Amino acid sequence: QKEVEQNSGPLSVPEGAIASLNCTYSDRGSQSFFWYRQYSGKSPELIMSIYSNGDKEDGRFTAQLNKASQYVSLLIRDSQPSDSATYLCAVNPGGYALNFGKGTSLLVTP
Amino acid sequence: SAVISQKPSRDICQRGTSLTIQCQVDSQVTMMFWYRQQPGQSLTLIATANQGSEATYESGFVIDKFPISRPNLTFSTLTVSNMSPEDSSIYLCSVVAAGKTTDTQYFGPGTRLTVL
Repeated sequence: QKEVEQNSGPLSVPEGAIASLNCTYSDRGSQSFFWYRQYSGKSPELIMSIYSNGDKEDGRFTAQLNKASQYVSLLIRDSQPSDSATYLCAVNPGGYALNFGKGTSLLVTP
Repeated sequence: SAVISQKPSRDICQRGTSLTIQCQVDSQVTMMFWYRQQPGQSLTLIATANQGSEATYESGFVIDKFPISRPNLTFSTLTVSNMSPEDSSIYLCSVVAAGKTTDTQYFGPGTRLTVL
């Protein structure tokens, strides 16, 4: 079973703070990693992809990958109330199918 | 990214009936997929919709229950057959746009299905 694990939360952070979302995966051969944002009642929206160890920055978002530890994280700087959503971690263990975690609920409080 | 639409956006159906969900993309895409998201759960891949041939189903999903068609590069349908309350879920199509890596998937708005 290829598992993708996330803390369900909710993770509550004050506006302007850094939100840190974490994800672990079981398939050591996985090569591609994604973060999706899903607002309540909406479909997932791709916000970050990462393929190599290290950090990848895009605006207020930074994805971090550590393949040795089988760990992916997403940092959101200067969190805004509009960032309140569920964040899904997705892993491609090979081929085209994505394995999704159950998501972490983030609440940014004004 | 491609603009993806799904019809219907939501439906309430009776047990034992079938519902066909449509997914339309505004540009040609290389791959199309169908996912299910049950209440409080994450996304589970049902199948890959193959143009002009039978879909490729994931473990636990069968063609008799979830027949899929993809007559061209921009359109696919998923039918949920002989429905039961356990089929109540959000059904999502996703696509890989031409020129993108095969694992970069974008999702349609979803179809919220309730089975009574």
